[in-house]
Amino acid sequence: SQKIEQNSEALNIQEGKTATLTCNYTNYSPAYLQWYRQDPGRGPVFLLLIRENEKEKRKERLKVTFDTTLKQSLFHITASQPADSATYLCALDGTNAGKSTFGDGTTLTVKP
Amino acid sequence: DAGVIQSPRHEVTEMGQEVTLRCKPISGHDYLFWYRQTMMRGLELLIYFNNNVPIDDSGMPEDRFSAKMPNASFSTLKIQPSEPRDSAVYFCASTLSRGAGNTIYFGEGSWLTVV
Repeated sequence: SQKIEQNSEALNIQEGKTATLTCNYTNYSPAYLQWYRQDPGRGPVFLLLIRENEKEKRKERLKVTFDTTLKQSLFHITASQPADSATYLCALDGTNAGKSTFGDGTTLTVKP
Repeated sequence: DAGVIQSPRHEVTEMGQEVTLRCKPISGHDYLFWYRQTMMRGLELLIYFNNNVPIDDSGMPEDRFSAKMPNASFSTLKIQPSEPRDSAVYFCASTLSRGAGNTIYFGEGSWLTVV
């Protein structure tokens, strides 16, 4: 069965460091992979999308990589700030338009 | 645009009562999704609609759950009768029909507690 694993439930880092979150998947061939941010008491908010034929995508302090051979995506936040503290979810899209499968999320805490 | 609008934001109800959650998707979006989020199971897709037609309801946990989309701007998720294990956050989301990989826009969720 399809499975999505995000590296750990929680990640604590010091302000200014780079946070790296991992999303691994099995029994799945996604056409797209998305990363979302979720704050407590709020709905997930889209951050970045990367296609299967793209290796890397950047947006300001965010960087996403997608390795379809390793079946893995890495999500980096450089120069992290306490305001980056949130839960980050990866989501995989197959061929069904808009239907995404979500990982359980990693809760990032950036300490000042 | 106001985004995806859900109501109620919070609901506490007694076991056995009927619960109706409501959603207004973003105007122009052709797809609407109902998700449920719990600590144990994460974010699960319950059902999704395309142009108001239910496409995949395989995630609906049991017959106590039903969803409708009478028009392009309104959907409901109903639980009857409700049980304590239904306590969760229910998210409605919508997206454009431009192929896979479209951004999904979530509402703020309906926090349901069944006692």
